Amino acid sequence: ELKVEQNPLFLSMQEGKNYTIYCNYSTTSDRLYWYRQDPGKSLESLFVLLSNGAVKQEGRLMASLDTKARLSTLHITAAVHDLSATYFCAVDHPGTYKYIFGTGTRLKVLA
Amino acid sequence: DSGVTQTPKHLITATGQRVTLRCSPRSGDLSVYWYQQSLDQGLQFLIQYYNGEERAKGNILERFSAQQFPDLHSELNLSSLELGDSALYFCASSVAADYEQYFGPGTRLTVT
Repeated sequence: ELKVEQNPLFLSMQEGKNYTIYCNYSTTSDRLYWYRQDPGKSLESLFVLLSNGAVKQEGRLMASLDTKARLSTLHITAAVHDLSATYFCAVDHPGTYKYIFGTGTRLKVLA
Repeated sequence: DSGVTQTPKHLITATGQRVTLRCSPRSGDLSVYWYQQSLDQGLQFLIQYYNGEERAKGNILERFSAQQFPDLHSELNLSSLELGDSALYFCASSVAADYEQYFGPGTRLTVT
């Protein structure tokens, strides 16, 4: 059974600081997705990582994928308050078209 | 605005009842996904359709069913509702598998 684990579950950080969210998954997969969810809102796609070594950046967020380690990271650079949200990673179960989401990381950026 | 629409936004119903949630995908998207989000179970993948055909089933209860119509809109039917079915139900769409999914605003279901 494919399991996806994120850590930390909760993250409170100061503005201007850097931090990394980790997403580990238990079964081989070449595709990983990152989403953002604001409180009471829907999910917004951030990144789609489709191969080993893929790196994508958008503003202060950078995501990477290491399929051999079954690990993806979401790095936050010089955090700002607007980044406060819950971040989910998701992996598709190879050959099944099923999608497994991580538990989410609730990020709070303090001014 | 993702381009995915869901109706209704809120739904309050009693245990034992049946409800239908509706989703219209983005123009041009052939894949539709349904998810359930609750505090205790997190975000759970329920089912995926591609161009009218069921492609994958996740943690979908037997009391739940879904379908995708020729115009590509989809409906999720929930029957014999229980208190534990109270949750946010999201629909998402994508051009095809392996592409990013665009989520609708969700339907908040409350079962009393």
